[in-house]
Amino acid sequence: DQQVKQNSPSLSVQEGRISILNCDYTNSMFDYFLWYKKYPAEGPTFLISISSIKDKNEDGRFTVFLNKSAKHLSLHIVPSQPGDSAVYFCAASDVGSQGNLIFGKGTKLSVKP
Amino acid sequence: GAVVSQHPSWVICKSGTSVKIECRSLDFQATTMFWYRQFPKQSLMLMATSNEGSKATYEQGVEKDKFLINHASLTLSTLTVTSAHPEDSSFYICSARTATINYGYTFGSGTRLTVV
Repeated sequence: DQQVKQNSPSLSVQEGRISILNCDYTNSMFDYFLWYKKYPAEGPTFLISISSIKDKNEDGRFTVFLNKSAKHLSLHIVPSQPGDSAVYFCAASDVGSQGNLIFGKGTKLSVKP
Repeated sequence: GAVVSQHPSWVICKSGTSVKIECRSLDFQATTMFWYRQFPKQSLMLMATSNEGSKATYEQGVEKDKFLINHASLTLSTLTVTSAHPEDSSFYICSARTATINYGYTFGSGTRLTVV
């Protein structure tokens, strides 16, 4: 059973508009959430994270929102740029599991000029 | 920032041969390294966790005799795919825990293994 779900395999957005990537989780023990960006044939690179004690974390054009009651988090990219086109992975962790990351399947974002 | 160097970036090997993938932490000491595998359109799946100087901990369903992991030093971990078969063809990625930034995970660039 997947503990971290990214139900949209792909998303297409116009340059300058907002991109919203969604992620749902089932394990209430998760206390840290991360978003990674991945280009083809490359390893993931860290983008932004949020602790379960917060509901929002912002870093430049990237904002992550966490709704613990709904077990849902989202990544907002504003404004979207063509260089943002990549696969975005949501990951979750709980301290009790030695912090091992559980990844979603990823969402492929395409930002069109 | 922390850098993990992984190589080779791609390798093609014949069925039945063994392939070694290396991951090095370049500017920090990695006490823990993780090895992931990603099949097309699938998630990154954790294969094993290795701690320097001790045996690796394998996830359920991962054959420890087939995927040999060695973490002999604080800067180097290796994954050897023994007697590779076409179904082992995948994208293998390592990550190291720095315990300082980004919740302590830095990923290598990955290795595309194709077994023919």
